Amino acid sequence: DQQVKQNSPSLSVQEGRISILNCDYTNSMFDYFLWYKKYPAEGPTFLISISSIKDKNEDGRFTVFLNKSAKHLSLHIVPSQPGDSAVYFCAASAAGNNRKLIWGLGTSLAVNP
Amino acid sequence: GAGVSQSPRYKVAKRGQDVALRCDPISGHVSLFWYQQALGQGPEFLTYFQNEAQLDKSGLPSDRFFAERPEGSVSTLKIQRTQQEDSAVYLCASSYDRIEQFFGPGTRLTVL
Repeated sequence: DQQVKQNSPSLSVQEGRISILNCDYTNSMFDYFLWYKKYPAEGPTFLISISSIKDKNEDGRFTVFLNKSAKHLSLHIVPSQPGDSAVYFCAASAAGNNRKLIWGLGTSLAVNP
Repeated sequence: GAGVSQSPRYKVAKRGQDVALRCDPISGHVSLFWYQQALGQGPEFLTYFQNEAQLDKSGLPSDRFFAERPEGSVSTLKIQRTQQEDSAVYLCASSYDRIEQFFGPGTRLTVL
């Protein structure tokens, strides 16, 4: 049973517009959430994280929103750039579980010029 | 500074062969994780080290998988008697605080 779900396998947006990637989780013990970007033949690159005590974290063009009651988080990229085209993974961890990351299946983002 | 490095980047093994995959973490990172990523899937946890101690090996799929980190730095993931289902990308990550994990490029293992 998937504890972290990314229900959209792919997303296509125009350059300059907003990209919104969504993630849902089921385990209420998760207290840290991370977004990674992955290019083909490379390892995941850490983008941004959020603690469960916050509802928003921002870093440049990237903002992550957390809705604990809905067990939902989203990554906003504004403005989107062609170089953002990659697979984006949502991951979660819990303090009592050695912080092992539990991953979604990823969303492939294509930003069109 | 240098990131996490892994070697080899690609490995082809015949079924039944033993393989060893190496991970060099970021200097000073006490935590080291191994993950396995099958095609089209997210990574899945294999094992976790804090310094030289293997604190969690609950994700290792069978006793053919073995990991070590004898001096608390470089780690090796060994797979004995490889099977076709072991074909995957093996990712290593290191962390200072366990929360934000930084990944190497991975080793793509293909078992024929």
